[in-house]
Amino acid sequence: QVQLQESGPGLVKPSQTLSLTCTVSGDSITSGSYYWSWIRQPAGKRLEWIGRFYPRGKDSYNPSLNTRVTISVDTSKNQFSLKLSSVTAADTAVYYCARGWDYYDSSGFDYWGQGTLVTVSS
Amino acid sequence: SSELTQDPAVSVALGQTVRITCQGDSLRNYYASWYQQKPGQAPLLVFYGKNNRPSGIPDRFSGSSSGNTASLTITGAQAEDEAEYHCKSRAGSGYHLVFGGGTKLSVL
Repeated sequence: QVQLQESGPGLVKPSQTLSLTCTVSGDSITSGSYYWSWIRQPAGKRLEWIGRFYPRGKDSYNPSLNTRVTISVDTSKNQFSLKLSSVTAADTAVYYCARGWDYYDSSGFDYWGQGTLVTVSS
Repeated sequence: SSELTQDPAVSVALGQTVRITCQGDSLRNYYASWYQQKPGQAPLLVFYGKNNRPSGIPDRFSGSSSGNTASLTITGAQAEDEAEYHCKSRAGSGYHLVFGGGTKLSVL
């Protein structure tokens, strides 16, 4: 059974960098069959895809966040991480990590972490 | 536009059929996937591609697509189906994923 678990500070000050880690069990993040994404959901708003690590393809980021986002991996710990710089209150959201796939005739996110609330406030 | 548009809320009588729709230009080229989200929980994949349901999802959930509209149909809605439903697809250019605004389903 694949499991994902987010971890990181729940409170970040404005202008600082938000850092979260997703620990994966039950699958290897380097296996290549899937990619690994960060997704967030501000309270009462739609889900927003942040970006992905794709072991056998191209990493990609949401154009609206591209200049502030970095997704990195630690293969020894089977983890991938998110860094979002220069945060503002608008970055307050529940952050999810998820496993995804993308073929010509189907795509989706089949496993998700439970989500972690990150609040940006001084 | 790369946006996906959903009706904010839909209701259905217990045991009846309901269709939840998702509109967007990218749906002319890419299939949608659908997620059920209950309060305080992570989204759950319930349908994807042309005609695929993940293991464990009841067969009352089905999907379809025509032109710029994707639909999720629940045939014989149950009380436990009350949730918010989100569609997801590719955006038009580059590699960029977008979600719809979500439809809150009430089962009466």
